[in-house]
Amino acid sequence: GAVVSQHPSRVICKSGTSVKIECRSLDFQATTMFWYRQFPKQSLMLMATSNEGSKATYEQGVEKDKFLINHASLTLSTLTVTSAHPEDSSFYICSARDLGLDFNTGELFFGEGSRLTVL
Amino acid sequence: KNQVEQSPQSLIILEGKNCTLQCNYTVSPFSNLRWYKQDTGRGPVSLTIMTFSENTKSNGRYTATLDADTKQSSLHITASQLSDSASYICVVSAWYGGATNKLIFGTGTLLAVQP
Repeated sequence: GAVVSQHPSRVICKSGTSVKIECRSLDFQATTMFWYRQFPKQSLMLMATSNEGSKATYEQGVEKDKFLINHASLTLSTLTVTSAHPEDSSFYICSARDLGLDFNTGELFFGEGSRLTVL
Repeated sequence: KNQVEQSPQSLIILEGKNCTLQCNYTVSPFSNLRWYKQDTGRGPVSLTIMTFSENTKSNGRYTATLDADTKQSSLHITASQLSDSASYICVVSAWYGGATNKLIFGTGTLLAVQP
C-alpha cells in the first residue's frame, strides 16, 4: 500500500536552532501535502497545505516565517521550524494524497510523525 | 462553523467486548467522513471512508455507520483486542468544488482495552 515517510522520527535541539522535517511519498506522487501539529491528548491541527511548485497555504494563526514549507517535487515536502523554542515542542505529522486517486474521496496517507523536543 | 465532535472522550473496555464510538458533525458542504486509528506516537491510519450515499462500511472488526440526515456517524468495534487501544479520530471533509477540499478533525476518542 501507499506509504508516506517522515524523517526524522525524533529530534532534540537547542533553543534558537532550526530543524528540518522531511515528508516523502514513497510510491505515489502528491501535488498536495499537509502538515499538522498535535499536542498531547489532542487531535491533529492543520498548520499548512504544501503545494508542489508554489507557495504553501497557511492556516490562520500559523506563522509562515516560523514554519517554512518547501514542496520541491511531487514526492517531497519539507517543514523547517526556524529559531525553535521550547513552545515549538510538539508532534508534527504530514499527510499526502495520491495524485492518481479521486481528489475528493481519495485516500489520505499519513506519515509516522516527528517528535520535536526543543530544550 | 464547521465542527466535528466525538464522544466519549475516553473509554476503557475489557478485551473481547464490543464498543461504539460516536461522531457528530456540522460540516457543510459535506463530502465524506473518515475514521482513523492513531496509535500513541504514530501517524493516523485509515479505517473507513464514507460518502453521502453510504450508510455503513466495514473493515474487519470495524464497522462505521453514517446518517447524513442527522449528521451522525458511529464506529463499532467488535470483539476488541489489546491492539485496538488507540485514539480514534473522525474526520469530515467539506468540498467546495474543484481542488478546494477542507478536512475538519474531531478531537478523538481514546480507547483503552484491558485484559
